[in-house]
Amino acid sequence: GIQVEQSPPDLILQEGANSTLRCNFSDSVNNLQWFHQNPWGQLINLFYIPSGTKQNGRLSATTVATERYSLLYISSSQTTDSGVYFCAVEPAYSGAGSYQLTFGKGTKLSVIP
Amino acid sequence: KAGVTQTPRYLIKTRGQQVTLSCSPISGHRSVSWYQQTPGQGLQFLFEYFSETQRNKGNFPGRFSGRQFSNSRSEMNVSTLELGDSALYLCASSLGDRGFSGYTFGSGTRLTVV
Repeated sequence: GIQVEQSPPDLILQEGANSTLRCNFSDSVNNLQWFHQNPWGQLINLFYIPSGTKQNGRLSATTVATERYSLLYISSSQTTDSGVYFCAVEPAYSGAGSYQLTFGKGTKLSVIP
Repeated sequence: KAGVTQTPRYLIKTRGQQVTLSCSPISGHRSVSWYQQTPGQGLQFLFEYFSETQRNKGNFPGRFSGRQFSNSRSEMNVSTLELGDSALYLCASSLGDRGFSGYTFGSGTRLTVV
């Protein structure tokens, strides 16, 4: 099946710093999403971004589907940004979706005051 | 509009028992998926339902089953619980077809098997 690798696995930032999280995937995808898992376990959808670039406040994401990677940018980080960030992809089979997400292992971000 | 609702939030069961978890998707969403999250295996796909039909199933034993009702609400059942079934179970909803714009997850059900 499709492989999803996220880097770095752990990241510690000073409040106000910027960061870039990376997601590499091994095959063509119909869907790519970035999630933030909060301390209570809920996966918060940050971006649905199978290709292109999107921005939402201090967060932005870019997916280069032809090169099979996606980047999540966090600017001016805040302590509330702490948590685990997951990249998840839905592989493309014969042009249709597989109806399942494959998740990376996540990047654990800690933002310290 | 209301998000994805999972009940119960927490559950403690004894080994050998069975359990049923419920998920109500976002209004208008016809697809419901289930995932299991454990510290060792991460997030793993269980199954997906669309219009009461299972379209895909992950690599889990037959003790794990699910169904979807005509109002798109879904339930998953785990029979003969094992200690290793302790996990966070997450449900996701999506449009499932035309206009698909990603999956939205619920808050999860944390199952502890003792």
